Amino acid sequence: NAGVTQTPKFRVLKTGQSMTLLCAQDMNHEYMYWYRQDPGMGLRLIHYSVGEGTTAKGEVPDGYNVSRLKKQNFLLGLESAAPSQTSVYFCASRGMGSTEAFFGQGTRLTVV
Amino acid sequence: AQRVTQPEKLLSVFKGAPVELKCNYSYSGSPELFWYVQYSRQRLQLLLRHISRESIKGFTADLNKGETSFHLKKPFAQEEDSAMYYCALDSGGSNYKLTFGKGTLLTVNP
Repeated sequence: NAGVTQTPKFRVLKTGQSMTLLCAQDMNHEYMYWYRQDPGMGLRLIHYSVGEGTTAKGEVPDGYNVSRLKKQNFLLGLESAAPSQTSVYFCASRGMGSTEAFFGQGTRLTVV
Repeated sequence: AQRVTQPEKLLSVFKGAPVELKCNYSYSGSPELFWYVQYSRQRLQLLLRHISRESIKGFTADLNKGETSFHLKKPFAQEEDSAMYYCALDSGGSNYKLTFGKGTLLTVNP
């Protein structure tokens, strides 16, 4: 009963380094989302995807790129990490016609 | 543009007291509204959705289109209700964006 799984759970990066966060869901959901959670800012949508091969920008897309090559995976990339990207990142997925989003456990990223 | 506003960052009540977490939204179409909850060290999870008109764990929320509000209410708060609560709006249609408010941290004191 995996649901939505995020990899890794924790990561510390140096400024300028790159990394990719992986979100995998086993529920055959069409829609997938990446959010960042910051104190006092709530959940802000970075990018999202409404299907395999499609992505769209959310409200805070700058500094991030995404890819959805397979339906079950949604990757979030940071090409050149900055301290402002220190945050907790959440992935979520939702099925077509379903109103409930399922969340991953989060990835705590620190950029020093 | 769609927006969700939760005016209270923190809300503290005593056990047994009524609680109301406020949520207002702006959206030009017909949105679907939700409340999500995040208990300590747990994932965000759906609490309730407006289309179901359900009561979950004693919580209810009514969509008021005239006031563009979707406040979450519970008549008698319990300590286990302490959590972060997020109001969310789904634009549906061809967009399918799911937008969250900034959240309200509810603390229920014994």
